[in-house]
Amino acid sequence: AQKVTQAQTEISVVEKEDVTLDCVYETRDTTYYLFWYKQPPSGELVFLIRRNSFDEQNEISGRYSWNFQKSTSSFNFTITASQVVDSAVYFCALSETGQVGNFNKFYFGSGTKLNVKP
Amino acid sequence: DAGITQSPRHKVTETGTPVTLRCHQTENHRYMYWYRQDPGHGLRLIHYSYGVKDTDKGEVSDGYSVSRSKTEDFLLTLESATSSQTSVYFCAISPPGNLAGELFFGEGSRLTVL
Repeated sequence: AQKVTQAQTEISVVEKEDVTLDCVYETRDTTYYLFWYKQPPSGELVFLIRRNSFDEQNEISGRYSWNFQKSTSSFNFTITASQVVDSAVYFCALSETGQVGNFNKFYFGSGTKLNVKP
Repeated sequence: DAGITQSPRHKVTETGTPVTLRCHQTENHRYMYWYRQDPGHGLRLIHYSYGVKDTDKGEVSDGYSVSRSKTEDFLLTLESATSSQTSVYFCAISPPGNLAGELFFGEGSRLTVL
């Protein structure tokens, strides 16, 4: 079973539109982390945010905001007033604590490709 | 920037040949990972390491082996490359302590198997 599901394969918006990228996860752990990574066309993976399972406060960073809801196992990412530079593939990820010390196993969703058109 | 370098960055090889990808880190982190990225699949874990000579399989380990003889180096080997192993391979490291739970990625190695 998929531990992280990003149902939106590709989204296209026009610049200045708001867009929400969905992420649904599955875990039995009580302590876990959720992440969003950005992969621009250049190919590198850029860390955007980390959330631990005990902190359900939403977070805003500039035009980016994240909505974490344990009740629905979702960690959605909203970009407000999108820009062309936001065009990228965005990955949601789940980290569970493994059995060896602080080792974490990471699971990634299949990614959502965001196209922002001028 | 986390000190992670992957080599080679690009490689074209033929089916049946052995291939080794190298990941080198300067951070002295204990945990290292190899992922492959394919369209529609996101990033899938191939192997990981939690210390020198301590490695384990991920979800797509068939056809791959790894070795970690030094903290700083994590090698991924394809003993006999197949076309299905054409992919972009990412190495990642994970620091312990307060930053536990965050991955830092290398720049990726694009492998084409003809």
